[in-house]
Amino acid sequence: NAGVTQTPKFRVLKTGQSMTLLCAQDMNHEYMYWYRQDPGMGLRLIHYSVGEGTTAKGEVPDGYNVSRLKKQNFLLGLESAAPSQTSVYFCASSLPSGGGTDTQYFGPGTRLTVL
Amino acid sequence: GQNIDQPTEMTATEGAIVQINCTYQTSGFNGLFWYQQHAGEAPTFLSYNVLDGLEEKGRFSSFLSRSKGYSYLLLKELQMKDSASYLCAAVDSNYQLIWGAGTKLIIKP
Repeated sequence: NAGVTQTPKFRVLKTGQSMTLLCAQDMNHEYMYWYRQDPGMGLRLIHYSVGEGTTAKGEVPDGYNVSRLKKQNFLLGLESAAPSQTSVYFCASSLPSGGGTDTQYFGPGTRLTVL
Repeated sequence: GQNIDQPTEMTATEGAIVQINCTYQTSGFNGLFWYQQHAGEAPTFLSYNVLDGLEEKGRFSSFLSRSKGYSYLLLKELQMKDSASYLCAAVDSNYQLIWGAGTKLIIKP
């Protein structure tokens, strides 16, 4: 099993450009999450999904959109990138029973720089 | 508001023992996680505590006191590969994880 994978690993954007980050998991997990990690701060939840076709806002959703068309994939979109979105983005997934008490498994991260 | 506090950085010697503390204030509480994150890599699960007390897993142990809003991660027989950041995360009443900023542990020979 590959676990949780993310593409791309690195990306540099100019302000105003758009992009999509792809997360895929092969563990048949129901729940999937997108976080950002910034220096000196804890992981912050952007959006999450409790199942195929469903999404919900997390702590810092502004400027991002998500889609979960297939159970194994969770896409994060930036419509008009801003320098404040420079960060490391992590995708995670958790077991079918769901809920915050399930262990979350993380992808390797995408390092995004917005100039 | 909800808050997780843990030291920013700690230094310890190879072969020694180190304790990393975490205090939390959350609206409701449904357990606490510890994750390890090596530089440039993904966080990986270490432990989950929901009941008071100490849980031991090999060289790593995690302790929880719900009445004090306090947890610690104890690492014994430190090895160079234990150099990493250790993330504390509490589960609130909505089953959302509230993450601390992490403690960077530096191991010296």
